[in-house]
Parts: sequence; C-alpha cells; structure tokens
Amino acid sequence: KAGVTQTPRYLIKTRGQQVTLSCSPISGHRSVSWYQQTPGQGLQFLFEYFSETQRNKGNFPGRFSGRQFSNSRSEMNVSTLELGDSALYLCATSTGDGDGETQYFGPGTRLLVL
Amino acid sequence: DAKTTQPPSMDCAEGRAANLPCNHSTISGNEYVYWYRQIHSQGPQYIIHGLKNNETNEMASLIITEDRKSSTLILPHATLRDTAVYYCIVRVKAAGNKLTFGGGTRVLVKP
Repeated sequence: KAGVTQTPRYLIKTRGQQVTLSCSPISGHRSVSWYQQTPGQGLQFLFEYFSETQRNKGNFPGRFSGRQFSNSRSEMNVSTLELGDSALYLCATSTGDGDGETQYFGPGTRLLVL
Repeated sequence: DAKTTQPPSMDCAEGRAANLPCNHSTISGNEYVYWYRQIHSQGPQYIIHGLKNNETNEMASLIITEDRKSSTLILPHATLRDTAVYYCIVRVKAAGNKLTFGGGTRVLVKP
C-alpha cells in the first residue's frame, strides 16, 4: 500500500498571505488528523476529519481551518500567516472506525513564513 | 489522555539492545501505550502499541508492567538508523482521539 502523501513538501510564504496544504491518506483510511510541529511547542494536534466532518479540534485560532473531500483527501488552510506559523505540518491517517485506530503519518510540509 | 514521562536523552551502542523507559502512572484501564519515533524531522513512524500484555513485532518489543504504570520499549539490536526521537503516548484506542505528544527521548546510537 502507498503511504500517506503530503504536498507540497516545502513552502515559503510572507506574512499576511494564506496557504493550503494537502494530505492524501492511505487507501481505505477515512480519518485524517493534522498536527503542527515547532521547536518551541513540539507536536500539537490541530484537528481531525472523518467522513468530511470535523470530529475533533485542538486549541488553535480560527485562522487554521481544514476540510475533507469525499475521497478522504484533506486540505488545511492557514489564513493571514504570521511568523510563528513557520513549522512542520504533519497529517496522520487511520481507518477511523475506532478499531485498530493506529495513526500513520505523512512526511510533512515544511512551511517558512518570512 | 494520561501524561507520560520519558528521559530527555540516552545513548546506545550499535548492536546492543536499547531499553527506553516510559512512566505513565495515571494511565486508565482503557488506555493503550503507543510508541512512535521521529527521525530527523520526518513524519513520526509508528512502532508498536499495547494494553496489558507484552507485545513484539519486527521493529521492537514492548514490556508493560503488571500495574501498567510504566513500560519499556526494547530495540533488540540498535543500528545507526535507529537514531531518532522516541515518543511514548497513552491514549484511548477509539475513533476521533488525538495523539498527545510529550518531549520524547532523543536516542543516539553510537558506533
């Protein structure tokens, strides 16, 4: 099986811009979770989508949003970028059925905000 | 989810077993112990998980104490490619649950 894929892998933006990141899950996986990793805060949960609905949410401002499509692919959007949004953004996917709920991570998208 | 405590770093000799401890004294009866590792800012890689019994797979073994308040991840024959940050996470194995990462243990395998 192909693993979790994330695009793009690297991105440079300037303050005030917005960015959209994409995550394609492992075949058969319907749950997609997003995480932010920074040197100061470590790995933090952003939100989780299952069947096109947000099922769980972390403690991030409304500038961070996401969506999921009918094929389970997910996108996350960050609007009005701030310098502190520079981070590695990771998505993790799982079956989402509550059984065998191991999450598998993609390689991440490294975002640099200038 | 219960919190975990791991040593911040440890060294290991190549070819020897690496024993990574994790304390989770407030773990609940329905919480599993998961281990992931992250190699040089790649995405975290799933290693193993368990509830009560010891578990083994092709990557590692997981030993959970009888009271479930601590566990040890064992890499039987560490290689240089095992150098990574190892995260011990406890969570309910249910749909919709997030993973809460702590600081992990930075393992350096030395030749």
